[in-house]
Amino acid sequence: DSGVTQTPKHLITATGQRVTLRCSPRSGDLSVYWYQQSLDQGLQFLIQYYNGEERAKGNILERFSAQQFPDLHSELNLSSLELGDSALYFCASSVDSFSGNTIYFGEGSWLTVV
Amino acid sequence: AQSVTQLGSHVSVSEGALVLLRCNYSSSVPPYLFWYVQYPNQGLQLLLKYTSAATLVKGINGFEAEFKKSETSFHLTKPSAHMSDAAEYFCAVSRLTNTGNQFYFGTGTSLTVIP
Repeated sequence: DSGVTQTPKHLITATGQRVTLRCSPRSGDLSVYWYQQSLDQGLQFLIQYYNGEERAKGNILERFSAQQFPDLHSELNLSSLELGDSALYFCASSVDSFSGNTIYFGEGSWLTVV
Repeated sequence: AQSVTQLGSHVSVSEGALVLLRCNYSSSVPPYLFWYVQYPNQGLQLLLKYTSAATLVKGINGFEAEFKKSETSFHLTKPSAHMSDAAEYFCAVSRLTNTGNQFYFGTGTSLTVIP
C-alpha cells in the first residue's frame, strides 16, 4: 500500500459525459501528479500540483482540468468524454517538488467510456 | 531534453535465468533515476532509485541496477527470474525544472517468465 488513495476504482460512463476522479496523497506529501495510461500511448504525464498550485502541465487536453484543495487532496475533471479517453488514470504524490524525490502511485481509476 | 529509452518492449526469460531490462537516459547533468514495476491491475511500485550515492543500487525483490555514466545507462538486473516477476517495468528520470520536479517515464518493458 503506497498510501495514495484514488476513487473510484472503476467507472463506466457514456460519451459526452463528465466525471471527477479523486486522489488523496500520502500523509505529508504536498505534491500531486496525474498520469494517464492507455495501451496505445503508454504512461502520459497530465499535470502536477504543489501545495495547491499548478506546477507543470503535460499532455492534458483542454477538456480535462484538475485542482488541489487546501487539504491537499486533488481532483481530475474529465468532460465531454470520448471513447479514446478510456484509460487508467493514476494519481501519484511526493513530499515536495524537488528533484530526486520518489513519487508514489495510487492503484488507479479505470475509466471506460461507452 | 530529459528522457529515458527502454530497449525492448517485451522480454521473455526462463524461470531461474538472468533478467536484464535495459534503460538509457539522456541528460546533461547527473540525473535521478528510478525503476518502477507494475503488476497486472495495480499501480506502479518503486523498485529502486539512484541518487548518486552509489553506482550499484539494490532494490526490492532481488533486483538491482547499475548506473554507468560512460554508457548513460541504468539497466535493471536480477540473477534468477521467478514467476512472480512477470510484470511491466518502467524506467524513469527525474529532474528539477523551473516548474518543479519533472518525472519522465520510459515506454515500459513487459517481462514474461517462462516456466
